[in-house]
Amino acid sequence: EVQLVESGGGLVQPGGSLRLSCTAFGFTSSSYWMTWVRQVPGKGLDWVANINQDGTERYYVDSVKGRFTISRDNAKNSVYLQMNNLRVEDTAVYYCASGDASDTWGQGTMVTVSS
Amino acid sequence: QSVLTQPPSASGTPGQRVTISCSGSSSNIGSHHVNWYQQLPGTAPKLLMYSNNLRPSGVPDRFSGSKSGTSASLAISGLQSEDEADYYCAAWDGSLNNWVFGGGTKLTVL
Repeated sequence: EVQLVESGGGLVQPGGSLRLSCTAFGFTSSSYWMTWVRQVPGKGLDWVANINQDGTERYYVDSVKGRFTISRDNAKNSVYLQMNNLRVEDTAVYYCASGDASDTWGQGTMVTVSS
Repeated sequence: QSVLTQPPSASGTPGQRVTISCSGSSSNIGSHHVNWYQQLPGTAPKLLMYSNNLRPSGVPDRFSGSKSGTSASLAISGLQSEDEADYYCAAWDGSLNNWVFGGGTKLTVL
């Protein structure tokens, strides 16, 4: 079965760090762009970052530039989101998705930034 | 507010045809493909339409997409109760160098 599984979410204080992981099962993620999208519960979808197949191209939404880093390890079929200097407004469910059109999504992992 | 503009809500009765609009600009919809996502309550989003009007495998042909200029739309014909969900449009924005989403449209089947 083709699926993406995210992990690494949790509760962190403002200014803290978290590293999210997303592992692909049932397909080789190295063939695809990989994307992180977040959603505040009850609100809409917000695109965060994406990375191309070999990691040479990375794009970020302005609000996370300089704080978040997307990376991938194709040998582990995984993509990561290193989140530093977290803010309360980063609180959301974080989804990873694969493909040019984000055609496969994970179930999401909750990140809560609060003191 | 979102770069792409969608109506916050839409509704219809079973069997009806409903259309959801998505308005953007020359830097996004005007020059790039539009994708649509369906998010059922309590679940992750699912790709519903890509490259303006192409359906992934398994998506019923009741769903159709179109694009004209800087606007796009999603049409659902033969509305069913299981279509009740949030729908989002998305496109690459060449000025921002990132993907942008619409604010989402909550579809209610009356």
